[in-house]
Amino acid sequence: AQKITQTQPGMFVQEKEAVTLDCTYDTSDPSYGLFWYKQPSSGEMIFLIYQGSYDQQNATEGRYSLNFQKARKSANLVISASQLGDSAMYFCAMREGRLFSGNQFYFGTGTSLTVIP
Amino acid sequence: KAGVTQTPRYLIKTRGQQVTLSCSPISGHRSVSWYQQTPGQGLQFLFEYFSETQRNKGNFPGRFSGRQFSNSRSEMNVSTLELGDSALYLCASSLIRGSTDTQYFGPGTRLTVL
Repeated sequence: AQKITQTQPGMFVQEKEAVTLDCTYDTSDPSYGLFWYKQPSSGEMIFLIYQGSYDQQNATEGRYSLNFQKARKSANLVISASQLGDSAMYFCAMREGRLFSGNQFYFGTGTSLTVIP
Repeated sequence: KAGVTQTPRYLIKTRGQQVTLSCSPISGHRSVSWYQQTPGQGLQFLFEYFSETQRNKGNFPGRFSGRQFSNSRSEMNVSTLELGDSALYLCASSLIRGSTDTQYFGPGTRLTVL
């Protein structure tokens, strides 16, 4: 089974509107971290936001927030007040805790976001 | 604090040649991971090094190898290059290997194989 699933290959949003990018994950480890990255056309992966499996509150970083629904195993990224510079590829990722010797980073296939002026 | 650096940024090679890519992690970071990104296959995990030991390996042929030095700097090597090895190679570092440790990426090395 896929560790990280991103079902939206492409999304469009109007400038200044909010947008939600979906991410579901699969793990049996009670300790894990969830991460979102942005990759503009330049290629560099930029870390956006982190959510730990034991965190009670949803993570927020400026205009980014993570809608963490543990029972549903979902970790959706919400971008508020979209800007033209938000147009990029967005990746959801997970790292499991110490129960598994591997604990590498697992990435989803990404969602391409286009902000329309 | 300086970010992850990768050299070279661009590389053009011909089939059959070999190539070595270098990655310097953020100061203090001990884990280094390598990824290959292509339009067709997306982001694929190559391997991860921690304290000079390979901890994880992705599903790549033996032509792809890597190592990590005592100062945490890492190199990856691809021997007998094939056209399909043309890709963006990304290096990422994290403090250690826990579930809370964010990976920070370098700018990547864009390899073109002719």
